[in-house]
Amino acid sequence: TQLLEQSPQFLSIQEGENLTVYCNSSSVFSSLQWYRQEPGEGPVLLVTVVTGGEVKKLKRLTFQFGDARKDSSLHITAAQPGDTGLYLCAAANDYKLSFGAGTTVTVRA
Amino acid sequence: DTAVSQTPKYLVTQMGNDKSIKCEQNLGHDTMYWYKQDSKKFLKIMFSYNNKELIINETVPNRFSPKSPDKAHLNLHINSLELGDSAVYFCASSQIGQSGYTFGSGTRLTVV
Repeated sequence: TQLLEQSPQFLSIQEGENLTVYCNSSSVFSSLQWYRQEPGEGPVLLVTVVTGGEVKKLKRLTFQFGDARKDSSLHITAAQPGDTGLYLCAAANDYKLSFGAGTTVTVRA
Repeated sequence: DTAVSQTPKYLVTQMGNDKSIKCEQNLGHDTMYWYKQDSKKFLKIMFSYNNKELIINETVPNRFSPKSPDKAHLNLHINSLELGDSAVYFCASSQIGQSGYTFGSGTRLTVV
C-alpha cells in the first residue's frame, strides 16, 4: 500500500482545457510537495504546501492542501503543451521523501 | 552551473558486471540520496546520507553499496548486475530545515 495515492494515472487533454490532479492519503502530513518531471530529467520542485486549507498559485497552476492535511490537488488552467510531464506529489519525513505513483499529463496542441 | 550532477547519463552493461554511478552537488546541502525509478515511473528511496553518514538503507540488496567521501559527493557501486536492476537512478540533495529536494538528471542503467 502506497502512502500517497495519485489520480488519475494518465490525463490527455487539448490545449486550452483545464485539468486537476489529486493526491490522497489516510495519513496527516506537516507538508506536501509537488514536482514535475520531464522526459530525460529529474523531478523539479514546483511548490510546498504547509498549512491546512492553504492555496498557492504559480502562474496557471493552483495548489491546494486539504483542511485535514491528508490530501492535496493541483489544478492547471488553460493547459499548454509545455505543461506536459509527470506530476508527482511527495511527503517528507525521517530523512526521506516518499512519492506518489505520479500522473502523466499530455497536453495536445 | 549544474546543481546536482551525476555521471554517466546512460550505462549499458552485461549481467554479472560491476558498475559505478557518481554524483556531486554544489549547493552546500547536508543530505544526499539515491532514488530508483522503475519502468512505471515510480520513484523509490534507496539510500539517504546526512553529512557523510548513512541514515537510511531502504531494504536494498547488499550488491548496492553507496559511498560518500564528503558531503558533496555520493557514489553508488553495484556488484553482479542483474536484469532487474535496469532502471533510472537519481541522485538528489536537500538541506535539513528547508523543503524541497534537488535532483540530478538521472542515469539510465540497462542490464542485458
